[in-house]
Amino acid sequence: EDQVTQSPEALRLQEGESSSLNCSYTVSGLRGLFWYRQDPGKGPEFLFTLYSAGEEKEKERLKATLTKKESFLHITAPKPEDSATYLCAVQGTGGFKTIFGAGTRLFVKA
Amino acid sequence: DTAVSQTPKYLVTQMGNDKSIKCEQNLGHDTMYWYKQDSKKFLKIMFSYNNKELIINETVPNRFSPKSPDKAHLNLHINSLELGDSAVYFCASSLGGNSYEQYFGPGTRLTVT
Repeated sequence: EDQVTQSPEALRLQEGESSSLNCSYTVSGLRGLFWYRQDPGKGPEFLFTLYSAGEEKEKERLKATLTKKESFLHITAPKPEDSATYLCAVQGTGGFKTIFGAGTRLFVKA
Repeated sequence: DTAVSQTPKYLVTQMGNDKSIKCEQNLGHDTMYWYKQDSKKFLKIMFSYNNKELIINETVPNRFSPKSPDKAHLNLHINSLELGDSAVYFCASSLGGNSYEQYFGPGTRLTVT
């Protein structure tokens, strides 16, 4: 069964303190791995799709990378406005379901 | 312009009532979804429609019935509401074909008392 595990559950950073969020996944054939950002009281907002191991995508202070078992979301010099829950999700080739992880709650203090 | 919209944003009702949540997308997407996010913030797929055809129907009580009158709309009707139905319900859409990233609505917070 497809599975997604995110760590840590919560991460507290000082402004400017770079770090990484981890997403471990198990899927029978990867169609795509997705990163979303969710702010309190709002719907998830799409950030990236990664399709194959070795692929990287960047957007402002965020960079997503992918291996055959994990994805990392690197946050460089974060700002308080980067505080949110970051969700990782996978879709396997066995069907149409997207499986979400429980998320990492990121707090960035000024 | 709102891409994926849901109404209502908040819904407070009593056990045993029947309620509906509406969703509309103006992105021209072929596929729409309903997700449930519980108090632990886990997002779980409930249903998905592609061009008005049901393609995902997870293990959800049959009190929940989705309806897609056209590919821009996907509504969720819930009969005989129970306390455990309290959650945030999100509608989402995706382009379909080889494009799988989903665009979510703002959510409907359902509270059953």
